[in-house]
Amino acid sequence: GQQLNQSPQSMFIQEGEDVSMNCTSSSIFNTWLWYKQDPGEGPVLLIALYKAGELTSNGRLTAQFGITRKDSFLNISASIPSDVGIYFCAGHDQGGKLIFGQGTELSVKP
Amino acid sequence: GAVVSQHPSRVICKSGTSVKIECRSLDFQATTMFWYRQFPKQSLMLMATSNEGSKATYEQGVEKDKFLINHASLTLSTLTVTSAHPEDSSFYICSGRDTLTDTQYFGPGTRLTVL
Repeated sequence: GQQLNQSPQSMFIQEGEDVSMNCTSSSIFNTWLWYKQDPGEGPVLLIALYKAGELTSNGRLTAQFGITRKDSFLNISASIPSDVGIYFCAGHDQGGKLIFGQGTELSVKP
Repeated sequence: GAVVSQHPSRVICKSGTSVKIECRSLDFQATTMFWYRQFPKQSLMLMATSNEGSKATYEQGVEKDKFLINHASLTLSTLTVTSAHPEDSSFYICSGRDTLTDTQYFGPGTRLTVL
């Protein structure tokens, strides 16, 4: 099946630093979504992207839908301790199924 | 954002028993609901797609007789793990797709432990 390659797998950063993570796919996706998952919880939607080239912000988060429709990135500026968690990219494939990346585990040191 | 609830949040059962997990969309109608399974330190894997009033569509490798899905109303889907075994222990997460906005919202998950 289709896969999303998400990197990096994990990040250890200092509070206040900026963070960047990305996802790539070998096939085209119609939407790109970024979720955050806290331990023992379900994923929570952070940003949804619907058009190629779209750049969207949500507070300190910024995400872009790649122009080729095969990639997306998520940036977090001025990280804070509560940003800790696992971030997943996800995309709707041509059949409408939501496919998830492997996740990026973010640790923030105060 | 829209809310999806799951019940129970945690369940421990003996091997061979069946467990039912409920997924409800609380403030929107979900014609389509999805069931995912997540093992520790791994991503969410789609198990099946359920459409209200019709049979669920299962992903390759997921046994439909083992994981029974019922989507009887626009706000409720259930997953029954039949004759559970320890290897079925996992975190099960449902999501509902808002019929009006097409956005998919996730429940808080159910931790199943089979002894």
